[in-house]
Amino acid sequence: EPEVTQTPSHQVTQMGQEVILRCVPISNHLYFYWYRQILGQKVEFLVSFYNNEISEKSEIFDDQFSVERPDGSNFTLKIRSTKLEDSAMYFCASSGVIRGTEAFFGQGTRLTVV
Amino acid sequence: QKEVEQNSGPLSVPEGAIASLNCTYSDRGSQSFFWYRQYSGKSPELIMFIYSNGDKEDGRFTAQLNKASQYVSLLIRDSQPSDSATYLCALTGGGNKLTFGTGTQLKVEL
Repeated sequence: EPEVTQTPSHQVTQMGQEVILRCVPISNHLYFYWYRQILGQKVEFLVSFYNNEISEKSEIFDDQFSVERPDGSNFTLKIRSTKLEDSAMYFCASSGVIRGTEAFFGQGTRLTVV
Repeated sequence: QKEVEQNSGPLSVPEGAIASLNCTYSDRGSQSFFWYRQYSGKSPELIMFIYSNGDKEDGRFTAQLNKASQYVSLLIRDSQPSDSATYLCALTGGGNKLTFGTGTQLKVEL
């Protein structure tokens, strides 16, 4: 069964460093997303990506964040100058060609900023 | 701002019973509704989705949508200990962005 895969599963970084989280969406999906979940809190939308550009982003997704689809399979989230409050689970998701269809999530990357 | 409200629980039900999970939302423009299951430390796993008023059944799961009352529910029949998890209600509006509730923790007891 097709699935969204994320690497790494756990990343520890020092405050102020840059991190890149990687995702391989389901191959025939066209919409890609990043969500995050701070421990004990709800899943929050960060950004959606379609046709090689950002289609929507939340207030959380400020200049510290960027996304890229560097090739035909990978989708990345870059966080520049990480802060302690960036510590969270980051989930990549993808959905199919029709607007509003269900999104499938990867297993997540646990980011710990120390 | 779309709000999705869920009782955090825990909701405890005995094995074999029906578990009823509820969700209300504030934006009448919400179009699609999803139930995800999340085990501790894991990612959300899609259980089912519903777009139209009424009931939708899939195996032991039934989703119910009432747009007039802005209410979505999930019924789990013949609850099993493996159903113990946090159940997340989510919705979309005109786009594909999911807005999640805080989730309801379900405990199925032997």
